[in-house]
Amino acid sequence: GAVVSQHPSRVICKSGTSVKIECRSLDFQATTMFWYRQFPKQSLMLMATSNEGSKATYEQGVEKDKFLINHASLTLSTLTVTSAHPEDSSFYICSARGLATHNEQFFGPGTRLTVL
Amino acid sequence: DQQVKQNSPSLSVQEGRISILNCDYTNSMFDYFLWYKKYPAEGPTFLISISSIKDKNEDGRFTVFLNKSAKHLSLHIVPSQPGDSAVYFCAASEGGGADGLTFGKGTHLIIQP
Repeated sequence: GAVVSQHPSRVICKSGTSVKIECRSLDFQATTMFWYRQFPKQSLMLMATSNEGSKATYEQGVEKDKFLINHASLTLSTLTVTSAHPEDSSFYICSARGLATHNEQFFGPGTRLTVL
Repeated sequence: DQQVKQNSPSLSVQEGRISILNCDYTNSMFDYFLWYKKYPAEGPTFLISISSIKDKNEDGRFTVFLNKSAKHLSLHIVPSQPGDSAVYFCAASEGGGADGLTFGKGTHLIIQP
């Protein structure tokens, strides 16, 4: 199956700092990558959709200036949480899909962000 | 307003028996449905999907049934194995799966030996 990686797997930062999370498709070209967030005991919530080479599309209620998404290549998308606050602490998961995945989304292992 | 609902937070099934996980949806624009298996602190693992043009899809021990008129789908696992213990998420999408997914809250399946 298709492999998606995320880095880092866990990050702890101080309030007010920015954190970058990387999502990579390791063995296929991802024409589309998605970013989700999961709070404890909650469902995964779609934050934004990014297509390679174009601006991300954000879901209602997600601040695009706070969650910066870049999808500069067919194998890499980054999510930057700017000026992070404790309420941004969550589990962030990316998924990727492409022609090789028959358009199925394959998920990364997730990144646990804790903002102190 | 939750568009994908999994009303059973947990389900306990004896090993070897059939596990049936249920999911309901409200958005009639959904045309692609998926089931994922997830362990804590890991990303979801794709199990099986079904398009709205079908009412059944089978892959090994996993079968997904779709009842469009009732806006209901179910995942059957038979026979259930201890390794099946995990949280199962139902997800739905518009655009034939091209759009982002809307997830249910998950059902924690526990397989009893």
